[in-house]
Amino acid sequence: AQKVTQAQTEISVVEKEDVTLDCVYETRDTTYYLFWYKQPPSGELVFLIRRNSFDEQNEISGRYSWNFQKSTSSFNFTITASQVVDSAVYFCALSEAEEDSSYKLIFGSGTRLLVRP
Amino acid sequence: NAGVTQTPKFQVLKTGQSMTLQCAQDMNHEYMSWYRQDPGMGLRLIHYSVGAGITDQGEVPNGYNVSRSTTEDFPLRLLSAAPSQTSVYFCASSYGEGGAQYFGPGTRLTVL
Repeated sequence: AQKVTQAQTEISVVEKEDVTLDCVYETRDTTYYLFWYKQPPSGELVFLIRRNSFDEQNEISGRYSWNFQKSTSSFNFTITASQVVDSAVYFCALSEAEEDSSYKLIFGSGTRLLVRP
Repeated sequence: NAGVTQTPKFQVLKTGQSMTLQCAQDMNHEYMSWYRQDPGMGLRLIHYSVGAGITDQGEVPNGYNVSRSTTEDFPLRLLSAAPSQTSVYFCASSYGEGGAQYFGPGTRLTVL
């Protein structure tokens, strides 16, 4: 069965600290996709990154980086030199190919990140 | 490009009332879906569509209906609102295989 676990319910850091948000997933498929979304206090859901199961290269985008490890079924997200504007709830999500060609997203329960000045 | 739009942004209903949440996208995406977000539970899939004329149920479909007569629009109907349907509703669209889903701004629904 598909499942996404974000064990960290809430993390609090001081500005400029580095922080890593953990994501562990379960799937039986060999082809799947992983995503991270950000939900700031305003409530919208902002797409951050998409990764397919055949691409294990780590990715860096500015202060954000993602570490995908199939061996441990993890897709962790690191924010370097955190800023107050990074305060948000972050969701990890998994998508598999379905017989009807749908790619339904299975979300983790989210990690609330609070960055204090 | 407006992306994914949803109306209304806020709605209060009385138990038993019906209403339709509107969702539209201008990206020519085939795949559209509706999620609800409840505190501590992440997002759960209600219904989805892989193209015009094709819809199917997600994880929590009871009490909701959908239709997809055009590529652009995917309305969600609450047939007889119940307090358990108090939630934030998000519509999303994507181009298909493994594509990122782009979300609308959400509708906050309260059922009294």
